[in-house]
Amino acid sequence: GQQLNQSPQSMFIQEGEDVSMNCTSSSIFNTWLWYKQDPGEGPVLLIALYKAGELTSNGRLTAQFGITRKDSFLNISASIPSDVGIYFCAGRKSGSARQLTFGSGTQLTVLP
Amino acid sequence: DAGVTQSPTHLIKTRGQQVTLRCSPKSGHDTVSWYQQALGQGPQFIFQYYEEEERQRGNFPDRFSGHQFPNYSSELNVNALLLGDSALYLCASSLAAAQETQYFGPGTRLLVL
Repeated sequence: GQQLNQSPQSMFIQEGEDVSMNCTSSSIFNTWLWYKQDPGEGPVLLIALYKAGELTSNGRLTAQFGITRKDSFLNISASIPSDVGIYFCAGRKSGSARQLTFGSGTQLTVLP
Repeated sequence: DAGVTQSPTHLIKTRGQQVTLRCSPKSGHDTVSWYQQALGQGPQFIFQYYEEEERQRGNFPDRFSGHQFPNYSSELNVNALLLGDSALYLCASSLAAAQETQYFGPGTRLLVL
C-alpha cells in the first residue's frame, strides 16, 4: 500500500539536542498528523495540521504543513530521554477523508 | 474513562486458519478503523466502520472482513491466513464528525506459522 516517504529512518542524538524529521509525498494531503508510538502501544497523536503553511506547537514539539501540501516536518527541541520512540507522519487525502496514510516511521534514540 | 481496548493481546495461528480480533472504542466514539502494522512499517488502513457499515476500505483482499455492533464495538475477521498476515493489528476510534482525532488501541499481535 502507498506510504509517505519519511526520513530519516533512525536517529541517535544526545540529550538536549534538537531533532528534525520530515515527510514527503507525490500526492496532495488536506491534513497532516504526527504520531508517536512506544513499544507495545498504539500510536498517540502529537500534532494535527489542517492548513497549508500552518505552524503548530505542542510543548517542545513544532510541526509545519508544507506550502505545497505535499510535505510536513516535525521538530523536537531540547530532547529528553522520554522522547525515545518511533515517530510517524500521517496524512489524509481529499476523497479519502476516512483513511489515514502513514509514513514508515523515524526511530529516535536519545543518548544520556 | 477507558480508552480503546483490544483483545486478545497476542495470538498464534497456522496458515489457512481464520481469526477474529475485537475492539471496544473509546467511550462516546461511534467510528472504528482497523489498521495492519507489519514489523518496521507504519500502519496501513484496512477499513472503517460507522453506523454498522463499512464506509471505506483500503487495499486489502476480501479475506479481511469486519463488523460493527450497535454498541459501536467492532470485530476484524481474517480468513485463510497467510504467513504475510503476521502483524500488529491496530484499532482506532473516533467521532464521525472529527475524522482527524483517531485514538489507537494497543493492538493485537498476530503470528501466523
